[in-house]
Amino acid sequence: DAGVTQSPTHLIKTRGQQVTLRCSPKSGHDTVSWYQQALGQGPQFIFQYYEEEERQRGNFPDRFSGHQFPNYSSELNVNALLLGDSALYLCASSELPPNYGYTFGSGTRLTVV
Amino acid sequence: DAKTTQPPSMDCAEGRAANLPCNHSTISGNEYVYWYRQIHSQGPQYIIHGLKNNETNEMASLIITEDRKSSTLILPHATLRDTAVYYCIAYFSGSARQLTFGSGTQLTVLP
Repeated sequence: DAGVTQSPTHLIKTRGQQVTLRCSPKSGHDTVSWYQQALGQGPQFIFQYYEEEERQRGNFPDRFSGHQFPNYSSELNVNALLLGDSALYLCASSELPPNYGYTFGSGTRLTVV
Repeated sequence: DAKTTQPPSMDCAEGRAANLPCNHSTISGNEYVYWYRQIHSQGPQYIIHGLKNNETNEMASLIITEDRKSSTLILPHATLRDTAVYYCIAYFSGSARQLTFGSGTQLTVLP
């Protein structure tokens, strides 16, 4: 049973550029959430998608946007990259409500130079 | 979600039980205690959760005090592969709110 799949695993971008990260949820899950994890810190919630709509959003600027497709996969887009956007970006999937917890992917390591 | 407090780090000898404490004194009646762990450079992994009764699965046991203000995650026979950051989260799944991660406890299992 495939878990949560994220691509790419690593990415290097230049300040000011735009980036798109991708996530395929675990089979049977219809909700996708995105988290940002800076080095040495716990993951911070960015937003959640359910039924192709953004349902919840954390304290992140509009430069961070997303999309969910009919097959439940999702993309995270970040515009006008800053050095501070360098982090591990994690995708988590679940049923709604997540009575059995969230399943996380291994993440995409984004480095902004 | 209620705030949780965990020690920043703990060591445990390989083969011994690892007991990881968590304080959640402001937990509400409908909030569960969830435990996740994160092995270096991987995504968090769900371990176990409970409301008020002790719980056990193939990975760990969860002991919740009667007043629900604290809990302990027990790894009965720690191995080197259990070295990770362990997060305790008080969470009401029915709200579908997001997980709020603190700093967690860095558990190091020593050979």
